[in-house]
Amino acid sequence: EIVMTQSPASLSVSPGERASLSCRASQTVNSNLAWYQQKPGQAPRLLIYGASTRATGIPARFSGSGSGTEFTLTISSLQSEDFAVYYCQQYNKWPEWTFGQGSKVEIK
Amino acid sequence: EVQLVESGGGLVQPGGSLRLSCAASGFTFSNSDMHWVRQAVGKGLEWVSAIGTVGDTYYSDSVKGRFFVSRENARNSLHLQMNSLRAGDTAVYYCARIYFGTGAFDIWGQGTMVTVSS
Repeated sequence: EIVMTQSPASLSVSPGERASLSCRASQTVNSNLAWYQQKPGQAPRLLIYGASTRATGIPARFSGSGSGTEFTLTISSLQSEDFAVYYCQQYNKWPEWTFGQGSKVEIK
Repeated sequence: EVQLVESGGGLVQPGGSLRLSCAASGFTFSNSDMHWVRQAVGKGLEWVSAIGTVGDTYYSDSVKGRFFVSRENARNSLHLQMNSLRAGDTAVYYCARIYFGTGAFDIWGQGTMVTVSS
């Protein structure tokens, strides 16, 4: 099984600041990585797929980078609606889709 | 509107069974790979099961042999038959669609809660 490890587990950021979240895979997933945002009581929402392609309707302040085993989700200027939990997910090795444990972005 | 709506969750005793359903609308269901993902309260996301467009099925090791996924393309419906339920199966269960050509989940239902307890 490919283990996805996210860091930090939580991050306190002021509105308008930049946030960077990390995701590491236990073996290469090439660029087959997605990022999701989840708010309390809601289903996850797809932000990024293919490591760096924004999903439909996702604002440009969200960007993804990386390949192989190291990935980053960057939110360039945090808005109030961006405070949430973020998950990475690999889909390189199927049928073993695996998620990271999540990173919580909190208001500072 | 593209939408997935789950139903069938509830309280069940350990060892019992439950059948979840997911109604799809707003897209060509028969052309879509469909999955079940679950989330225990306060925990992360866990992939559970998948079914391809030709009916090929896949399961996580934690549910293999106990859960069975199926689809009814004529009714735009996805199902998850859950047998021999355990306390560790307690979670919100989401159905999700695979974004064509990727392995990312682009459409999610609102989830249905399954509680396994005596």
